[in-house]
Amino acid sequence: IAGITQAPTSQILAAGRRMTLRCTQDMRHNAMYWYRQDLGLGLRLIHYSNTAGTTGKGEVPDGYSVSRANTDDFPLTLASAVPSQTSVYFCASSAVAGSTDTQYFGPGTRLTVL
Amino acid sequence: GQNIDQPTEMTATEGAIVQINCTYQTSGFNGLFWYQQHAGEAPTFLSYNVLDGLEEKGRFSSFLSRSKGYSYLLLKELQMKDSASYLCASMDSNYQLIWGAGTKLIIKP
Repeated sequence: IAGITQAPTSQILAAGRRMTLRCTQDMRHNAMYWYRQDLGLGLRLIHYSNTAGTTGKGEVPDGYSVSRANTDDFPLTLASAVPSQTSVYFCASSAVAGSTDTQYFGPGTRLTVL
Repeated sequence: GQNIDQPTEMTATEGAIVQINCTYQTSGFNGLFWYQQHAGEAPTFLSYNVLDGLEEKGRFSSFLSRSKGYSYLLLKELQMKDSASYLCASMDSNYQLIWGAGTKLIIKP
């Protein structure tokens, strides 16, 4: 059982380019999340999904979009990357949305936008 | 506003005890989480407190005081592998986690 996988592991991207970060979980968790982690700041929620077919905006959603076509996959898309989106991106999941269930994290994607 | 405060960095000696403090202020409260994050890796779950008091789990214990908006993580018998960042997160009324910036713990031999 892999848990949560993310791809790519790292990426250098030119500003203005489109990029999709992939996230897949095999735990059949209903809830999934995308965070970004920047030096000196706590993890910040970008978007979340309580269940397949639904998504919601987190604290810092601008410039990002997500989709949840099925339970397992939750891709994050940067439509036109900007240097301020340089960050480490973590995908996470929890069994039940709207509960105190533990969030489990993927290994992260390190993204550099030049 | 919502705010989580924890020290940026702490240093301790192998074999010793260290206490990492966290104060929180969130819109509603559904519990306090602690995660460990080694450099370059994902955060991993350590503990969850929703009631006042101390929860012990092996070498790690976590304490919560809801009236004071305060928690601490206590690490005993420190080992070199405990060198990591420790993240405090409060779950708000919408069941979303509000994260502190993390405390980098350096263990010296």
